[in-house]
Amino acid sequence: GAVVSQHPSWVICKSGTSVKIECRSLDFQATTMFWYRQFPKQSLMLMATSNEGSKATYEQGVEKDKFLINHASLTLSTLTVTSAHPEDSSFYICSVSQIAKSYNEQFFGPGTRLTVL
Amino acid sequence: GQNIDQPTEMTATEGAIVQINCTYQTSGFNGLFWYQQHAGEAPTFLSYNVLDGLEEKGRFSSFLSRSKGYSYLLLKELQMKDSASYLCAVLDSNYQLIWGAGTKLIIKP
Repeated sequence: GAVVSQHPSWVICKSGTSVKIECRSLDFQATTMFWYRQFPKQSLMLMATSNEGSKATYEQGVEKDKFLINHASLTLSTLTVTSAHPEDSSFYICSVSQIAKSYNEQFFGPGTRLTVL
Repeated sequence: GQNIDQPTEMTATEGAIVQINCTYQTSGFNGLFWYQQHAGEAPTFLSYNVLDGLEEKGRFSSFLSRSKGYSYLLLKELQMKDSASYLCAVLDSNYQLIWGAGTKLIIKP
């Protein structure tokens, strides 16, 4: 399966600052990457679908001007949380989709834990 | 609306068998996934079912009944390392993954 990395693994920042999270597909050219957010004891929530070379598709309720997504290459997508606030503290996970057998299996990065003070 | 239900938490004993159920109501169906997620880590793939029946993979098996909108994950010979959350996810007609809230499995010695 695909190997996905994220950087940083965890970050603590002050309220009002911007944080950039990188998602890399190490051994697979991913035309599509997904960004999820997971609050404690809750399930994964899809934030946006990142398409290489085009604008990301955001889910309803996700502010595209606050969560900036850039997918400039087939191996890298970035999520920037602009003007972060404490309510943005969460576990952010990216994934890539690869056709395995007859279905699209998603391979997840290790996640980035963001804490906004 | 789309909905996936699974128990919030289950407890089982090391060496025993546990079955985690998942029921779903989605717009279309293109398969059901089970993922394992340890605390503070990303999910890892366990199984995929698109046809009715049982798929066995080592100590883990997954069952699907499309007519009933029902699946279960069966874990045998439980080990302490199996303590984790188990996420059920359905691929809908738009090939979008709809996630359940996950079942936290606690294994006791």
